[in-house]
Amino acid sequence: EAEVAQSPRYKITEKSQAVAFWCDPISGHATLYWYRQILGQGPELLVQFQDESVVDDSQLPKDRFSAERLKGVDSTLKIQPAELGDSAMYLCASSVDRNSGNTIYFGEGSWLTVV
Amino acid sequence: GQSLEQPSEVTAVEGAIVQINCTYQTSGFYGLSWYQQHDGGAPTFLSYNALDGLEETGRFSSFLSRSDSYGYLLLQELQMKDSASYFCAVSSSSGGSYIPTFGRGTSLIVHP
Repeated sequence: EAEVAQSPRYKITEKSQAVAFWCDPISGHATLYWYRQILGQGPELLVQFQDESVVDDSQLPKDRFSAERLKGVDSTLKIQPAELGDSAMYLCASSVDRNSGNTIYFGEGSWLTVV
Repeated sequence: GQSLEQPSEVTAVEGAIVQINCTYQTSGFYGLSWYQQHDGGAPTFLSYNALDGLEETGRFSSFLSRSDSYGYLLLQELQMKDSASYFCAVSSSSGGSYIPTFGRGTSLIVHP
């Protein structure tokens, strides 16, 4: 069964350092999402891509977060500089297209701890 | 803005039936989804309702009432492995896309 691949699985970084997460969606899925999930809460959408274009990044803290999907396939989410409050799980997800937002497939997530 | 309300925790015994409710407020409502997440794992899709009524998938059923902005997930013949967090998510239209927004989740604890 096709899966959404994410790396690294776990990351510990010091505050003010840069950190990056990578995601490879299910082959053929045009829409890619990055979510942040704080322990005990639901996933919060950071950014949504349709192919290589950003559809929604209204909740992305753009002063420190950036995301790209240059060739419309895999994607990178970067945080610079990291802050203590960024400790969370970063989930990548994909769907066939942006009209299939009711059924999205998540990767295993990247756990970030900022110390 | 959007908001979703669901209970923070529900407990039940093995073999029982449990219902997890979800109420929502959103503009451009398209549909309501349910996801399951085990500790340390990724959310996985369970069901989706775009129209009023009940959708059944094995032991799980999901219901939607658009006029009441309300839905629920019904789990029957509970098993220990059903202990997990359950999230409702509304899909609402925005700029030609359907953006899924998640609730805070309900922790289901199944006792022997």
